[in-house]
Amino acid sequence: DAGVIQSPRHEVTEMGQEVTLRCKPISGHDYLFWYRQTMMRGLELLIYFNNNVPIDDSGMPEDRFSAKMPNASFSTLKIQPSEPRDSAVYFCASSFAGLVIKSQHFGDGTRLSIL
Amino acid sequence: AQKITQTQPGMFVQEKEAVTLDCTYDTSDQSYGLFWYKQPSSGEMIFLIYQGSYDEQNATEGRYSLNFQKARKSANLVISASQLGDSAMYFCAMRETANFGNEKLTFGTGTRLTIIP
Repeated sequence: DAGVIQSPRHEVTEMGQEVTLRCKPISGHDYLFWYRQTMMRGLELLIYFNNNVPIDDSGMPEDRFSAKMPNASFSTLKIQPSEPRDSAVYFCASSFAGLVIKSQHFGDGTRLSIL
Repeated sequence: AQKITQTQPGMFVQEKEAVTLDCTYDTSDQSYGLFWYKQPSSGEMIFLIYQGSYDEQNATEGRYSLNFQKARKSANLVISASQLGDSAMYFCAMRETANFGNEKLTFGTGTRLTIIP
């Protein structure tokens, strides 16, 4: 079975540019999560969706960040305009609420560098 | 207060020895779940093991076991017969489930485990 698929794997862009990260969750999963990982702050939950509806976006750092889930098989995290402090690894994860052990399955991450 | 505390930033262990990675948690919920994830140097996050707060038995999964001490609010990961491939960052995480539908995981800061040949 295919796991969570994220693209791109690496992104290097200049400050001020728009960045779009993409995620395809595991088929049949009804929860989707976006995380950011940095050395300073560790692994932080940014936002999560249930059945394509945002449930908790309290971790989104500021208005420059936005996330959408137009359908069950696709989500985007957008940063506009990007800043050097946004440099991090961004993970997408998905899970299925119908399981007893609702473990989250992570994608390989997108390593984002803002110059 | 930190919800998940991992007090060992780094550990060095001889190959084939057992290793215990510490995790303490803080919650007022009666219902919660505890998870351990492994992050190798390649960067992906791999789910290892889960313990529910109402589970009476300690969880086991192959060479991994979870030493769950509810009164002490600790959920230590034990890896038996360590292997070179166990070298990685290990994260403890908690989901508080008192609020129905809450699927948020709170992660600790991690422990970097290095297995020495």
